[in-house]
Amino acid sequence: DTAVSQTPKYLVTQMGNDKSIKCEQNLGHDTMYWYKQDSKKFLKIMFSYNNKELIINETVPNRFSPKSPDKAHLNLHINSLELGDSAVYFCASSHLSGTGVGYTFGSGTRLTVV
Amino acid sequence: KQEVTQIPAALSVPEGENLVLNCSFTDSAIYNLQWFRQDPGKGLTSLLLIQSSQREQTSGRLNASLDKSSGRSTLYIAASQPGDSATYLCAVFPSNTGKLIFGQGTTLQVKP
Repeated sequence: DTAVSQTPKYLVTQMGNDKSIKCEQNLGHDTMYWYKQDSKKFLKIMFSYNNKELIINETVPNRFSPKSPDKAHLNLHINSLELGDSAVYFCASSHLSGTGVGYTFGSGTRLTVV
Repeated sequence: KQEVTQIPAALSVPEGENLVLNCSFTDSAIYNLQWFRQDPGKGLTSLLLIQSSQREQTSGRLNASLDKSSGRSTLYIAASQPGDSATYLCAVFPSNTGKLIFGQGTTLQVKP
């Protein structure tokens, strides 16, 4: 009964490759997010989608492209991976996007670029 | 620009101690503040959420307080247990931004 599931859990890849991380939520939430947690443990928002519409796009390299085929899915595609992209990426979802209430996070995808 | 700071970065205590984790934020215009728990290799679990109009919230052995005017929140853990060992993250939800802003966390170890 996983609420927010991300795949894969671990991803090791070489510089220059293109990779995708998938996220699905079965909570019926209308808003989904991607957060990045760096080596210093800071979690920072990257993107947010509400009902398949992009509503937050922080300053991230345009090598990162989110895609939301429907409101239950938000995938993250990364082109031309760099060493500095190594981090843990968390997907999250919530209802009522304007209140900060009811966030549910996935278990994270640890990306290592070698 | 909103910034969230947590002190201490790490804490090690013997089982049974009461402890306080601190969180400060630079802009008092927040909608709410949340405390999360993060276990290694797992996602974040929401522990307590305090709305901007509230001063505190309690759940079991956990009590979180909020002083918006001074930009501070504390998480009080009573009678700590080894199972409380985790990283605790404070996050504020600034008004009308749609995003949580996190501190860097306090990693807690409770020794049996």
